[in-house]
Amino acid sequence: DTEVTQTPKHLVMGMTNKKSLKCEQHMGHRAMYWYKQKAKKPPELMFVYSYEKLSINESVPSRFSPECPNSSLLNLHLHALQPEDSALYLCASSHLGDYEQYFGPGTRLTVT
Amino acid sequence: GEDVEQSLFLSVREGDSSVINCTYTDSSSTYLYWYKQEPGAGLQLLTYIFSNMDMKQDQRLTVLLNKKDKHLSLRIADTQTGDSAIYFCAESSGYSTLTFGKGTMLLVSP
Repeated sequence: DTEVTQTPKHLVMGMTNKKSLKCEQHMGHRAMYWYKQKAKKPPELMFVYSYEKLSINESVPSRFSPECPNSSLLNLHLHALQPEDSALYLCASSHLGDYEQYFGPGTRLTVT
Repeated sequence: GEDVEQSLFLSVREGDSSVINCTYTDSSSTYLYWYKQEPGAGLQLLTYIFSNMDMKQDQRLTVLLNKKDKHLSLRIADTQTGDSAIYFCAESSGYSTLTFGKGTMLLVSP
């Protein structure tokens, strides 16, 4: 099973809302990732978790708050977003170290 | 820093072979990957090659790596309309981070 699941598939939120994106994997991967992808662009790394601890934060604004409650789950809490934050948010997971990453289907976020 | 370059667009006819090219700059790259992204979907890992290999074949896919020239290619044999997608080349050199190219849009016409 090489599946990473993400919910919701689509999300529309206002700039004052608080929402969360969820990601789950059951492959025993101890590294999990959040990426942001704008249309016709490659994914941009936002955060990396290793052993449920934040190991990389690519200078992401604090209105994005990641959380890794256990080894299978990864959340991204959203608050006071801007319209330019509208994008496809992708979760990925891998074994620790230099291993292939498996991506989820993404959450299409629209900020109005 | 690391850089990965790809041509942006490729158009082929159904049944032909497609070759998507990629160049990278990081000589310490250990793995190189090809991902496929269909419209509105996530990234699907197609194949990958370790940097000490020259070639890897997996059914219709052939990956060639020229480490001296830092050139990677993906050949898709007997291309089908379902192969139409964006193909991303990516490299990693450890530390669990990937550097992606800008993606090549492959259009397969009947």
